[in-house]
Amino acid sequence: QVQLVQSGAEVKKPGASVKISCKASGYTFINYYMHWVRQAPGQGLEWMGIITPSGDDKWYAQKIQGRVTMMTDTSTSTVYMELSSLRSEDTAVYYCAREGFSEAKHFDFWGQGTLVTVSS
Amino acid sequence: QSALTQPASVSGSPGQSITISCTGTSTDVGGYNYVSWYQQHPGKAPKLMVYDVSNRPSGVSSRFSGSKSGNTASLTISGLQAEDEADYYCTSYSSSSTLPYFFGTGTKVTVL
Repeated sequence: QVQLVQSGAEVKKPGASVKISCKASGYTFINYYMHWVRQAPGQGLEWMGIITPSGDDKWYAQKIQGRVTMMTDTSTSTVYMELSSLRSEDTAVYYCAREGFSEAKHFDFWGQGTLVTVSS
Repeated sequence: QSALTQPASVSGSPGQSITISCTGTSTDVGGYNYVSWYQQHPGKAPKLMVYDVSNRPSGVSSRFSGSKSGNTASLTISGLQAEDEADYYCTSYSSSSTLPYFFGTGTKVTVL
């Protein structure tokens, strides 16, 4: 069965960086794009970006462009998302979400989420 | 535009049908048949309920159905059950180069 297992919760100070991992299993990693979505406490979902499985192509939301980097490791079927220059408003649960087959434009499987808390 | 518009809350009694709307523009909801709907229970990850406007993934109850008219998509839950109480979000692909995926503002469904 498809599983996306994310790394654990993080507490960071303003200005620091955080790197979250998302390890995929149960499917052919190189056949599916991966997205990152975040959700601030009590708020809605916010799309952050997409990366191809090879890592060659990425597309980031303009709001966080310049602070976000996504990458993949095909040898371990793992996707990473790094967010730098953290601010209090980056406090959120971060999800990786697989895009459906053949650029399907929907998210068919989600990771369990990683809580990132930014606090001095 | 940064989000699709959904009603903040919708409620219904067990067995009733409810409909959640999701309003966008001609560059997202109205321009593509790439509307999807997600159910999120508290503290849990979202779950795909409907994709490409009206298709259900395997394992999702037929009580959930989707449709679209112009710039507004809708999710209908028929035969409302207690376990349907959750937050629901719509998403659409968009022609925007700065934000190609829009989420809705979210709707809290309450089963009375």
